Parts: sequence; structure tokens; C-alpha cells
Amino acid sequence: SQQGEEDPQALSIQEGENATMNCSYKTSINNLQWYRQNSGRGLVHLILIRSNEREKHSGRLRVTLDTSKKSSSLLITASRAADTASYFCATNAGGTSYGKLTFGQGTILTVHP
Amino acid sequence: DTGVSQDPRHKITKRGQNVTFRCDPISEHNRLYWYRQTLGQGPEFLTYFQNEAQLEKSRLLSDRFSAERPKGSFSTLEIQRTEQGDSAMYLCASDLTMGDKYEQYFGPGTRLTVT
Repeated sequence: SQQGEEDPQALSIQEGENATMNCSYKTSINNLQWYRQNSGRGLVHLILIRSNEREKHSGRLRVTLDTSKKSSSLLITASRAADTASYFCATNAGGTSYGKLTFGQGTILTVHP
Repeated sequence: DTGVSQDPRHKITKRGQNVTFRCDPISEHNRLYWYRQTLGQGPEFLTYFQNEAQLEKSRLLSDRFSAERPKGSFSTLEIQRTEQGDSAMYLCASDLTMGDKYEQYFGPGTRLTVT
């Protein structure tokens, strides 16, 4: 079953604008990851944030995590047409779940040139 | 790095037939995962191997589904007596148990269509 919801389901922006996607989850986590999926490259790992971290940066990506609200956000700054893809958050519960990931439903991002 | 490969990339089968998919993980990765993804949804976990041991199976994996990973290398996922509801993209992923590294590398998937 899906871990939670992603918001918005679809986002359309112009090149150069920032894109923010939100993810909510239901159970305790060890870490939360964001993946990108497009038809050309399949699912690709973008960034991981651990449960004891609140914010993480990687290039044009910024991820925040609020474990009290069981929510995360992904910010893509200065978007490019090549960022057009579906973005999924995925949670890992750790412990006996090992690396098993529970994905959200995804946000479809369209960046217009 | 040759990446995770899956074969076939597409499979069309008639309801009631058996199908088998293969996944070759990145060679040094000891963990291998199978997920299923339907249109408009995120991937859903099916099963997981560490080396040759199958350690967890989802409730989604009915007794028509079986997965193996002989010798801890490639893995196969077999679906017996396919149903139209089995139509989906079947994704394989692998990673390496090393400290707190959790990034999974996904293959391109096998798209199954049951007619």
C-alpha cells in the first residue's frame, strides 16, 4: 500500500521558476528519499534525508523533513525543461524492513521552456 | 557500472499464461528488490532478497507469484495463471548493505500486458 500522499498531483511551471512538492507519510521512518522518474531514464535516486535531519541540500535540490508532522518537501530551484518528470517520495522504516521503500503517488512536474 | 538490467522490457501475454521476468543487479550489490507500478501510482514493494535469501514478501504477492535469486546473483519473478489485474510495470532494484547507504538503483522495468 502507498505510504501517503503527495501534493500537488501535477505542477506546471516556466523554466527558471522554483518548484515545490510536498509529501506526507503515515508511519515512523528511518529515512525519506526522493526519486525522479521519466521515460528516458527510469527511476533515479535524487536525495536522502535521515529522520534526525531537518534540511538537506544537493545542487538545485533542497529537502526538508518534519517528523512531528510526518511530512517532507522537495524544492527544485531555477527549474529547467529537463526537470520535467514524475517525482516520488519514498520512506524507509529501517529495522527489519531493511531497505524496503514505500512510495507516495508522485507529483508530475512539467517545466515549460 | 553497467546498471541494473531487466529482461524482457515488454511482455504481452494472454490471461492464464505463465510469465517469467529476469533481473540482473549491479554486480557487487547484495540486496535485490522487486516492485510493481501501475499507471499513475508510485511503485509498490513486492519482495526483497539479501544475497540468495528471500527475507520479506508483501501481502500483494499472491501465491501465483514466486521469486528466486539463485546464488545471490540474478533474480527471476514468475507469475502463474496471469490475470488482467497483473498488467503493470515490474521494477527491479538493487543496493549494497554498507553502513547507512540506502540509495537503490532501479532497472528500466518490464511492462506486462495481460490480454
